[in-house]
Order: sequence, then C-alpha cells, then structure tokens
Amino acid sequence: QKEVEQDPGPLSVPEGAIVSLNCTYSNSAFQYFMWYRQYSRKGPELLMYTYSSGNKEDGRFTAQVDKSSKYISLFIRDSQPSDSATYLCAMSPYGNNRLAFGKGNQVVVIP
Amino acid sequence: DVKVTQSSRYLVKRTGEKVFLECVQDMDHENMFWYRQDPGLGLRLIYFSYDVKMKEKGDIPEGYSVSREKKERFSLILESASTNQTSMYLCASSPEVRGQETQYFGPGTRLLVL
Repeated sequence: QKEVEQDPGPLSVPEGAIVSLNCTYSNSAFQYFMWYRQYSRKGPELLMYTYSSGNKEDGRFTAQVDKSSKYISLFIRDSQPSDSATYLCAMSPYGNNRLAFGKGNQVVVIP
Repeated sequence: DVKVTQSSRYLVKRTGEKVFLECVQDMDHENMFWYRQDPGLGLRLIYFSYDVKMKEKGDIPEGYSVSREKKERFSLILESASTNQTSMYLCASSPEVRGQETQYFGPGTRLLVL
C-alpha cells in the first residue's frame, strides 16, 4: 500500500461548480498536510498548508484534515477556468523535511 | 516571496552525455531537493541535501549524483544520460524550521534524452 493515495482523475466540472479532491494516507505519524497546484509545464506552487486535524479556509479554497480517518480534502468553491490544473496533496511527520506526495489529480473547469 | 530558479526550462541531450541541472534558491533555506515527475508516477525524490556538502539518497538515486558547494545552489548531475531519464526535473527548497515542512518548487526543467 502506498503511503499516500490520490485518485488521478481527470475531473471535469462546469464553471461555478464545487470541486472536491481528496487523499488518503496510511502513516499515522503525518502531522503536516499541504495542497499544491501545478499548472501545465510549470512547477508546483503551495496552495494550502494545515497542521493536524481541522479545517482551513483561504478565499474560495478550504482544506480539511481528518486524522482519525487518515483522509484529507480540498474544496474549491465557485470554480473558475483558471483553476484548471493538477492538484497534488503532500504530507509529512513532525520534524521530517521529506514530503510524501500523492500522484496528483487533474482538474478541468469548463467555461 | 521564496524564489527557486532552475538553469534551463528545456534541454535536449544525447545518450551518454553528461548533463548538469542547476538550481538556486534565494531564501537561505537549509534543505534542497531534486525530484523527477513522470505521468502516472507522480513526484519521485532523487536526492536531497540538509546542508552544504551534505547529501542523502532519495527513492531513485541510480544514475544521478548531486553537488552542493554553496548553500543556495544544488546541482543534479546525470553522469551518462539515458533515454529513460527523459523527464521533468523539479528542484525544491525548504527551511530547517520545525513546523515549516513546506517545500517551495522551481519552474522545472524538461529534459529530453535522444
């Protein structure tokens, strides 16, 4: 079993819809959880960063962590064509700089 | 803003050539990383470095070496390029601060080995 599982998609949604992405993981030591956005032929850029369980909101983006279920989610409200990208989840234990990445989930927002 | 730059966006090399990929970060980060990214395989860690002249193997170090002579610069070397090293190469850096495990990525280098 891979440490981090992420359904690669692709996921196509109409403009204005809510996008829901998720990752599951197996390592209970993971404490820090990140979502990266990667546009085509570009490097990943940090989108959201959360510590332990709970929710974090930033504009149209909400990140959720459920450590009891080993499950993290990213929600994008009022999706825009500019949100079309690949979204990668990443996580690490406390004090460990190596990140475990999901394979990425391609999202296409159709105008 | 953290800035990570990579020397080339696109490279085309011949099989057997020695290839150097350079990465520079301007935020005084202690940690630097090299990944390759392939469709269906995601990001895979090749090498990383916690400090100048320090290096650690990642998950797929075979066929690669690295050099870190200065804190801001981390080089990836393909000793003898092969076609299966055609890939997107990504450099990243992060601070050595507990609770800030976030990595910041460069724009990537697309390498084609013919």
